[in-house]
Amino acid sequence: VVLTQSPGTMSLSPGERASLSCRASQSFSSSYLAWYQQRPGQAPRLLIYGASTRATGVPDRFSGSGSGTDFTLTISRLEPEDFAVYFCQQYGMSPTFGQGTKLEI
Amino acid sequence: EVQVLESGGGLVQRGGSLRLSCEASGFTFRSHAMSWVRQAPGKGLEWVSVISGSGGNTYYADSMKGRFTISRDNSKSTVYLQMNSLGVEDTAVYYCARGSGAWLYLFDYWGQGTPVTVTS
Repeated sequence: VVLTQSPGTMSLSPGERASLSCRASQSFSSSYLAWYQQRPGQAPRLLIYGASTRATGVPDRFSGSGSGTDFTLTISRLEPEDFAVYFCQQYGMSPTFGQGTKLEI
Repeated sequence: EVQVLESGGGLVQRGGSLRLSCEASGFTFRSHAMSWVRQAPGKGLEWVSVISGSGGNTYYADSMKGRFTISRDNSKSTVYLQMNSLGVEDTAVYYCARGSGAWLYLFDYWGQGTPVTVTS
């Protein structure tokens, strides 16, 4: 499954709302869609799994939605620490990642 | 606290070999599959290989089959990645990641990564 994220880069300001898209080349169960955050020089951090379930410790300003081939990560009000790169991933057989969306100030 | 720490990266010539290690702590190691995921400079994430908690099952991305071997020593809470016949395309930061209990390929904890540079 090829995952295509858009946009490649998104420029927003703190306090604004961000919507990041992840589109799959073929439909799969939303149970197997995850989102990760990667800050510069750091390892990825699991944010969302099962398309919409927040991982432990993830603030509720992060939410995930979607099914089939279209998925969205929404950050309701951007905090300074949210400016990072976000990857979607399908974790069924032979896992794949999207190419990432960079969220910049 | 769950911790994952990779080591063993470095500079290697094309065609050479390298063995990466990943030591984990803070959880029941044998209960979790462990994967290696890599990230080439300025690129996205690419899953490399996974090993089951018992070590009895291993899987590889197609481009790594036959060149990379994953193994684990549960008595040392350590996973290894033996990389042979390295090419410049294998240059990347290699992350070790824990599979969540329920899903093999859902990575809930990651190490900080170890860089591998293959020179021509």
